[in-house]
Amino acid sequence: QITLKESGPTLVKPAQTLTLTCTFSGFSLTTNGVGVGWIRQPPGKALEWLATIYWNEDKHYSPSLNSGLTITKDTSKNQVVLTMTNVDSVDTATYYCAHRLTYSGGWYFDYWGQGTLVTVSS
Amino acid sequence: EIVLTQSPATLSLSPGERATLSCRASQRVGSYLGWYQQKPGQAPRLLIYDAFNRATGIPARFSGSGSGTDFTLTISSLETEDFAVYYCQQRANWPITFGQGTRLEIK
Repeated sequence: QITLKESGPTLVKPAQTLTLTCTFSGFSLTTNGVGVGWIRQPPGKALEWLATIYWNEDKHYSPSLNSGLTITKDTSKNQVVLTMTNVDSVDTATYYCAHRLTYSGGWYFDYWGQGTLVTVSS
Repeated sequence: EIVLTQSPATLSLSPGERATLSCRASQRVGSYLGWYQQKPGQAPRLLIYDAFNRATGIPARFSGSGSGTDFTLTISSLETEDFAVYYCQQRANWPITFGQGTRLEIK
């Protein structure tokens, strides 16, 4: 059974760095084809993809946020960490981590965490 | 970046009716388009991948079609639990992009 859960601060000040952790079970990020992504959703708005990481360390980032994002994995802890620097109020959103649909040729997300709401405010 | 435009923004129907949701891509994406359902306070749920493949556990009343730039999600006979927001997503090119959503509401 695949599960994912996001954790991190609920409130961050503008210009600070946001660090979110996705802790997962039921799969391994050392297995060929496995990947995890981060997606966010501002209140009342649409989904926005942020970053993805493959089992082989291949990474992709949203170009609109590229310079401020870093995604890493810790396979010993079954965790994926997303770091976002210099946050702003527009980064207030629910942040989801999600598992890649392994048997498709690309990136769809078949298992999602419950999401964590992050508010950026002074 | 590929822009996905969903229509209509809101669709009002009654249980038992047929729902047709559209997603148009700004560039051709082949068949590399998926659909998600999201209910209030919940994470999205993958319904369809690669235009017409139902994800595991998705009822047969959900079907997807289309290729290139125009795609459709059809719900053949609406159940009360189907009233939600639906998003399309393309995986043809980086960055992954989502549409702005269609809200399916009870009439």
